[in-house]
Amino acid sequence: GENVEQHPSTLSVQEGDSAVIKCTYSDSASNYFPWYKQELGKRPQLIIDIRSNVGEKKDQRIAVTLNKTAKHFSLHITETQPEDSAVYFCAAGTTDSWGKFQFGAGTQVVVTP
Amino acid sequence: GAGVSQSPSNKVTEKGKDVELRCDPISGHTALYWYRQSLGQGLEFLIYFQGNSAPDKSGLPSDRFSAERTGGSVSTLTIQRTQQEDSAVYLCASSYGLAGGRSYEQYFGPGTRLTVT
Repeated sequence: GENVEQHPSTLSVQEGDSAVIKCTYSDSASNYFPWYKQELGKRPQLIIDIRSNVGEKKDQRIAVTLNKTAKHFSLHITETQPEDSAVYFCAAGTTDSWGKFQFGAGTQVVVTP
Repeated sequence: GAGVSQSPSNKVTEKGKDVELRCDPISGHTALYWYRQSLGQGLEFLIYFQGNSAPDKSGLPSDRFSAERTGGSVSTLTIQRTQQEDSAVYLCASSYGLAGGRSYEQYFGPGTRLTVT
């Protein structure tokens, strides 16, 4: 089955700096890679996703890149703000499995003013 | 519209007792998932329902765990003979699944915090 590793487990950044979270996956059949954000005491919510037919996707200050050959993908947050403080989870799966993903262990991001 | 709801929000039980956790998915979502999140840990997949198909139980940690989904909507996760290591937040999520075309987004409920004493 799929195995997803996520690094780092914690990330502290100064407000305004960039944050990068990296994930690797094991199953070459995986073709869908979502990222979820979980604020303290709240439920996880999808913030961005990417499919294997593209190498990069951007939405305002958030971008995701995918390297299928190396089986890794990354989340980039630019111009970080205090409200970006949260736990971020990457996931990988196949669209054939209709939403059954393997999640990474999560990255605790702390943005300090 | 209404999101995914779960009940109870908190449950404290004694070791050895059985517990039932309930999940109400978003109307129209055919796929339903249960996850377990231990303190400071990731999302551990437990079980997945898709429409009327047999559920994918590959993530259930032991035979003390079971789940059912009645009428393709509400789901109940049952833990029998609870152990202290079962203490965690149990999250339910739903998605359009096979009915969703290109949407795979999972919508999570608020979770049930289970404490086994």
